[in-house]
Formats: sequence, C-alpha cells, structure tokens
Amino acid sequence: NAGVTQTPKFQVLKTGQSMTLQCAQDMNHNSMYWYRQDPGMGLRLIYYSASEGTTDKGEVPNGYNVSRLNKREFSLRLESAAPSQTSVYFCASSEDRGSNQPQHFGDGTRLSIL
Amino acid sequence: SQQGEEDPQALSIQEGENATMNCSYKTSINNLQWYRQNSGRGLVHLILIRSNEREKHSGRLRVTLDTSKKSSSLLITASRAADTASYFCATDAGSNYQLIWGAGTKLIIKP
Repeated sequence: NAGVTQTPKFQVLKTGQSMTLQCAQDMNHNSMYWYRQDPGMGLRLIYYSASEGTTDKGEVPNGYNVSRLNKREFSLRLESAAPSQTSVYFCASSEDRGSNQPQHFGDGTRLSIL
Repeated sequence: SQQGEEDPQALSIQEGENATMNCSYKTSINNLQWYRQNSGRGLVHLILIRSNEREKHSGRLRVTLDTSKKSSSLLITASRAADTASYFCATDAGSNYQLIWGAGTKLIIKP
C-alpha cells in the first residue's frame, strides 16, 4: 500500500520554465490537497480538491494551477516559475473534506527555482 | 495566516525523558490535529481531538485541549531516539474544512 506518491522528488528549474508536479493516492480518498512548506513557516494550502471534478483555491494560489485528473490523481502546475516558488511541495489526501479527517501526505517534491 | 503556534520552537531532551509541546490558536475551533514530520519526509497524522474533548491518548502520546485558553499540548512519555522529528498542530479556525498549520516544534532526543 503506497499511500500518496509524489513525483519527482527533486527538481531544479530556471526562472520562467514550467513544470507539473504529479500526485497519486491509492486509498480511494475523495479529497486531495497541495501545500507548500517554507523554512520557519507552517504548511500553506495552495489548492485543494474536495472531490473528483472540483478544485478550489487555498491560501496561496497565485502562480499555480491544478488538475484533478481522476479520483486518484491531482497535479500541480507552475506555468512560469519564479524564485519565490522555491519550496518543498506536499500533496495530501483525506477520505473526505473536513477538519475531522486525518490527512495522509506524500514525501514531498523539493523544488529550486534559479 | 497562522492559526496555530507551537511552543517551544525547538526542544532537546535526553532519551527516556518526557517531552511536552504546546500549541496556541486564536479563534474558536471544531477540531485540532497533531502531526509528526521526520527529516526529509511527509507529515504523519498522530491524534485528532475535537473541541468537546479534553484529553486523548495514543500509546505514549497524550494530547490535551483547553478551549478556554485556546491551547493544546502534546506529551510524549519515555522519549526514544526515533521520536526525533518536528511536530505540528493544525486547526480549522471554526471553518470545518481547511486546516491552518503552525510552524512546528523541532524535537531532538539525545541518546
């Protein structure tokens, strides 16, 4: 049981380049999330998908887009990368949307923008 | 915005001692969760406590919630080297949906 799988684990981009971070979960969860983690700060929600076919903005959506491809997969796209987007990105899933639902995390993508 | 703030930012204790971390928040909540993050890994859920609960246990973990003080504490008893990690609290700020995360407490267990 892999849980939440993120690819790639590491990536270095140049300013202005685009890329897509991939996330897949095998727990049949309805809700999925993208967070970024910066030193000295808590996780910040970028986008989430409460259920298949829906996506909503979180706290820091600017510069990102998402796609809920199917129930298993939720991707995050940086259209024109900026140095301020250097961060560790985590994908998470939960059975349903709700603060009473434990979230299950992948091991992150470490992204550097030069 | 940070709803939950952990205290202390860092904690170093000897193996076998108890470790206590605190989380304070600003607005009323429905639920509060604690997570652990080992270096280079994703977060792992530890305990969820609801606003109408005062204490929950899971193995060597004990979580308390004081809604009048808007604070929660995580106690790890008989600490082990494997407990070395960062610990985060997350609250819902009354929204029932989105979690808001603190900056975490970095716990180091010395052998």
